[in-house]
Amino acid sequence: AQKVTQAQTEISVVEKEDVTLDCVYETRDTTYYLFWYKQPPSGELVFLIRRNSFDEQNEISGRYSWNFQKSTSSFNFTITASQVVDSAVYFCALSETMNYGGATNKLIFGTGTLLAVQP
Amino acid sequence: EAQVTQNPRYLITVTGKKLTVTCSQNMNHEYMSWYRQDPGLGLRQIYYSMNVEVTDKGDVPEGYKVSRKEKRNFPLILESPSPNQTSLYFCASSPRGGRGYTFGSGTRLTVV
Repeated sequence: AQKVTQAQTEISVVEKEDVTLDCVYETRDTTYYLFWYKQPPSGELVFLIRRNSFDEQNEISGRYSWNFQKSTSSFNFTITASQVVDSAVYFCALSETMNYGGATNKLIFGTGTLLAVQP
Repeated sequence: EAQVTQNPRYLITVTGKKLTVTCSQNMNHEYMSWYRQDPGLGLRQIYYSMNVEVTDKGDVPEGYKVSRKEKRNFPLILESPSPNQTSLYFCASSPRGGRGYTFGSGTRLTVV
């Protein structure tokens, strides 16, 4: 079955530390997309990145970077020099486009990692 | 502006009183879905719709109904809400293929 695992339930760091959030996925699709979302205390879901299964290049956006490795089915997210504003719940998600019932566009979420950045 | 609009943002209701959470998108997306978010469980899909008049159950459909009479709207109906439906609900829309999803701002529902 398609699945996303975020083994880290909570992480606490001190400001300016680097932190990596882990994401491991399982899928039988050959083409799929992986996503990271941020959920601040206000509750909305903020899109951070999308990566398709054919693009294994790492990506950097400011203090954020993502490491996609198909060989280990992982899509890890690193925040460099963390800040208090980074405190949030972070979700990794996998798109599912087919299941036994036919076509679907389902987004499968991990259980999230709560990141607390202390000043 | 491309967006998914959910209403209301907050709702407190009593057990058994029917309610509807509305969801509307302006991107002409075929696919719409509802998720609920609970602590420690992440977001789980309730129902989804691949197009007008085409809906199907997600992972946790019990106690919910949906309809898709128009492409832009996908309301979530709780005919007899119970306290275990207290949750944060998100509506999402996307084009086919799983390339991207646009989420509404969420509806925080409390059933007492």
